[in-house]
Amino acid sequence: NAGVTQTPKFQVLKTGQSMTLQCAQDMNHNSMYWYRQDPGMGLRLIYYSASEGTTDKGEVPNGYNVSRLNKREFSLRLESAAPSQTSVYFCASIGVSMNTEAFFGQGTRLTVV
Amino acid sequence: GEDVEQSLFLSVREGDSSVINCTYTDSSSTYLYWYKQEPGAGLQLLTYIFSNMDMKQDQRLTVLLNKKDKHLSLRIADTQTGDSAIYFCAEESGGSYIPTFGRGTSLIVHP
Repeated sequence: NAGVTQTPKFQVLKTGQSMTLQCAQDMNHNSMYWYRQDPGMGLRLIYYSASEGTTDKGEVPNGYNVSRLNKREFSLRLESAAPSQTSVYFCASIGVSMNTEAFFGQGTRLTVV
Repeated sequence: GEDVEQSLFLSVREGDSSVINCTYTDSSSTYLYWYKQEPGAGLQLLTYIFSNMDMKQDQRLTVLLNKKDKHLSLRIADTQTGDSAIYFCAEESGGSYIPTFGRGTSLIVHP
């Protein structure tokens, strides 16, 4: 099935631990994104990648790094997790051809204790 | 102020029409979107409108755009309990392909 696959679905980390969130899309989209969603805050852009080989900071990049491994995959890394990074993380890919397509992953619910 | 603003809650009776409103600040917005998020799920793109359009209709959904007032609305006809979700307005400007989201409107449909 076409779409965005995001792993893991749930994760609990201790403060200071590191982890990588994985995201892959199979729609040949150029643009991929990482957002975080917090209660009452909507979605805030962490990083995005307009094309393979490029990444740029979004609204809230501090504490995160990303890698656009190839056209399909865009990973988000927390090097030293902090409680403020407790959130739900969404990966998305957007393509514009005849019509605009936007697909979101199912989300990763991350708790940092 | 925020770039995209929406009211946080809307409650409607099943069978009625729902109208979710959104205002945005960027006059160079090129695309405006409506997304739906059901509990525990990612966002689903419902519909979008180009900034040079006034209206777009897609089955039960009608999007109205007032570019002068920077106001976007989503009307859901014959609202059903399955329409209960959070609806996000988003705008994108200048061909950036980077949507900026509002905080979302929780639509509650009751019998």
